[in-house]
Amino acid sequence: NAGVTQTPKFQVLKTGQSMTLQCAQDMNHNSMYWYRQDPGMGLRLIYYSASEGTTDKGEVPNGYNVSRLNKREFSLRLESAAPSQTSVYFCASSAEKANYGYTFGSGTRLTVV
Amino acid sequence: GDSVTQMEGPVTLSEEAFLTINCTYTATGYPSLFWYVQYPGEGLQLLLKATKADDKGSNKGFEATYRKETTSFHLEKGSVQVSDSAVYFCALSDRTSYDKVIFGPGTSLSVIP
Repeated sequence: NAGVTQTPKFQVLKTGQSMTLQCAQDMNHNSMYWYRQDPGMGLRLIYYSASEGTTDKGEVPNGYNVSRLNKREFSLRLESAAPSQTSVYFCASSAEKANYGYTFGSGTRLTVV
Repeated sequence: GDSVTQMEGPVTLSEEAFLTINCTYTATGYPSLFWYVQYPGEGLQLLLKATKADDKGSNKGFEATYRKETTSFHLEKGSVQVSDSAVYFCALSDRTSYDKVIFGPGTSLSVIP
């Protein structure tokens, strides 16, 4: 009963470095999402994928790219990390549409120095 | 655009006290409404939801009623426990697209023995 698995759990990057955050779900969900969580700002949507083969920008997409590798996996890439991207990143999935409710991963805490 | 407003925290209550966390929303359509809970160091979990006006969502002693006339979805619990200490997020998904959920900023609750 893994649900949504995110890796890594913690990461420290230097400014300008790149990295990919991995997310996988085993619930056969169609839709997947990447959010970032910052103090006092709640969760903000970065990118989402309503179905395999499609991706769309959310509220704060600048500085990020995504890949929906297959139905299970949805990765988030930072090409050139900046201190403003220090945050906690959450991946989520939902069965059909978002109004079914999300299942979240446990998060990746990223620090850019 | 769509948005969610929650009461400012943090909220501190004694065990067995009554809890209300206010939530109001702005949406162009008729959204589905949610409460999510985040325990320390974890991802968010769906607590309850309501999909149409006058629906009541309930789970683990928590309740919230979808009030279209006041555009509100207040969270209540009759007797809180220490284990309820967490951050609570009100959220909506727009019915026109259903593609994504918009979160409020979260309300931190601490319950003391």
